Amino acid sequence: QKEVEQNSGPLSVPEGAIASLNCTYSDRGSQSFFWYRQYSGKSPELIMFIYSNGDKEDGRFTAQLNKASQYVSLLIRDSQPSDSATYLCAVKNYGGSQGNLIFGKGTKLSVKP
Amino acid sequence: DTAVSQTPKYLVTQMGNDKSIKCEQNLGHDTMYWYKQDSKKFLKIMFSYNNKELIINETVPNRFSPKSPDKAHLNLHINSLELGDSAVYFCASSQGTALQYFGAGTRLSVL
Repeated sequence: QKEVEQNSGPLSVPEGAIASLNCTYSDRGSQSFFWYRQYSGKSPELIMFIYSNGDKEDGRFTAQLNKASQYVSLLIRDSQPSDSATYLCAVKNYGGSQGNLIFGKGTKLSVKP
Repeated sequence: DTAVSQTPKYLVTQMGNDKSIKCEQNLGHDTMYWYKQDSKKFLKIMFSYNNKELIINETVPNRFSPKSPDKAHLNLHINSLELGDSAVYFCASSQGTALQYFGAGTRLSVL
């Protein structure tokens, strides 16, 4: 069974620090990797996606992918209290629009002022 | 202008009733999805439709039936509601690059 594993947290970091969120997946055929942010009572919001090994940066966010280790991470630099949310890792095992997203159970991040 | 909209936002009903949740997207996407998020916040896909054809049907009870009158709409009909159906149901859509955009969710409470 294809699985996506995340530490449920909560992960607590002080304001201004780097928050590091980790995710592992079981299916070696996975090709697309996504990070969603979900505030309490709200819907998931896509914040990053990555398809190739290495790093991808977008503002304060960096996604890192290591397919050999089946590991994907999200770094949030200069963490702000507004970053406090649950972060969902999702993996898709086909390219394009086929296949479905498999979500991890999410890591709850708390950024303390 | 909401890209993926679902109605109702809240739904409270008795066990055994039949209910529907509606979803519409104005993004021109060709694939729409229904997800269920349980009390532990685990988000799991239920169905997806691509160009009005069901392409994924996870092992959900056949009391749940998706209906797509056109590619902009994917409704979810639930028969004989049970307590365990209480959850938040999210509609989503995507096109090509598999970036999925979610609706605001429908919180279903079965009493």
